[in-house]
Parts: sequence; C-alpha cells; structure tokens
Amino acid sequence: EPEVTQTPSHQVTQMGQEVILRCVPISNHLYFYWYRQILGQKVEFLVSFYNNEISEKSEIFDDQFSVERPDGSNFTLKIRSTKLEDSAMYFCASILGPPGNTIYFGEGSWLTVV
Amino acid sequence: AQSVTQLGSHVSVSEGALVLLRCNYSSSVPPYLFWYVQYPNQGLQLLLKYTSAATLVKGINGFEAEFKKSETSFHLTKPSAHMSDAAEYFCAVSDQGAGSYQLTFGKGTKLSVIP
Repeated sequence: EPEVTQTPSHQVTQMGQEVILRCVPISNHLYFYWYRQILGQKVEFLVSFYNNEISEKSEIFDDQFSVERPDGSNFTLKIRSTKLEDSAMYFCASILGPPGNTIYFGEGSWLTVV
Repeated sequence: AQSVTQLGSHVSVSEGALVLLRCNYSSSVPPYLFWYVQYPNQGLQLLLKYTSAATLVKGINGFEAEFKKSETSFHLTKPSAHMSDAAEYFCAVSDQGAGSYQLTFGKGTKLSVIP
C-alpha cells in the first residue's frame, strides 16, 4: 500500500518562530495538499499544489504560510512566524489526479506553539 | 460551495449492534463522497468512496454507505459493531467533476463501542 510520509510527527515551537513541515507524497502523484485540524475541530483545507504552483488556497492560507516542492520528492509547508492559534495537526495529502482516484493522507504533524 | 453536515458529534453503540453515522452534503455539481476514519493519534484512512458508479458502496472493515441523491445523504453503516471500530469518522465531499480535488470535511463523529 503506497503511503504519504510526514516529518516531524510532533514539533513544539515558540511563538514567532519559523516552522517547516515536511511531506513525501506518493511518487507518481500529481496533486499535493496541506490540511489542518485544530484540536476538537474539523479538518480544514489549506492549499493545493499542482505543476509546481499553488492551484487553490483557503482563507486560512495567508502570507505567513508558504509551500514548496524543492526537489522531486519533498513537499513542504512553511509557517513564517508562528502564532498560538497555529497549534494543530497538519496533514499532507496527495492524489494521482483523474476524478475518482483516492486522496491519500499522511499521518500528520502535530504542531504545538507555546 | 460545498458543505458537509454530520449529525451527532458522538455516537455510542453496544458491541454487535448496528452502526449508523449520518452525513448530509450540499454541492453545486454531482459530488464525490468519502468516509475517512481516524484512530487515536493516527492519520486519516479512507474507508470508502462514492464516485458516481454504484450508489451502495462497500468499504473496508465491513462498512458500507449508500448515496441517496434525493436526500443528499451518504450515511455510513455497519451491521455489527466491533470494539476496534471505536474512532472518529469524517464524511467529506469533493467536486472532482469540476476539476477540483479539494475535500470539504464534516466536523466528525466520534464512535464509542460499549462492551
């Protein structure tokens, strides 16, 4: 079974610090995503990435967030200056592309901002 | 715009009893619908998906869901609950037919199974 891998699984950071969350999507997939789940709340879409550029982003994905695919395998989410309210589980996901295909999620990176 | 409503944030059933988790959606185009399960401290695992083929969809671990267009529903069922089914379940909708694969999730339903 192919899988999306994420690192770190848990990170604690001080408010105002920069954080980079890393993801390795499934190798032949074409679309990549970041979602966020604040404790006790629903999973929310942040951003989608296709063909080396952002294809969609939500209102949550403001200027403090950025994504990058620096090489052929990694997909990163950078939070420039973390705030307490950024504490959440961040999920990376990928999909091959054609309609009906399954979106695969990683196990998540739990970010705690103190 | 799409939205998903899951009725009941917490459902408790006895082991061996029927599991019914409700999901209603709204979508401007024919939707693709998904159920994901999240076990404690784990990621999201796909249980099943509806992609405009058969309206009754069978998934893993004995779960199934029926797409009812007239009711805009996609309820998840399992005839007999097992202790290992205790988890949080998320219904999600995607307008993949419109070229977007973004998922919109419901708030989730936490399933407890009582021995």
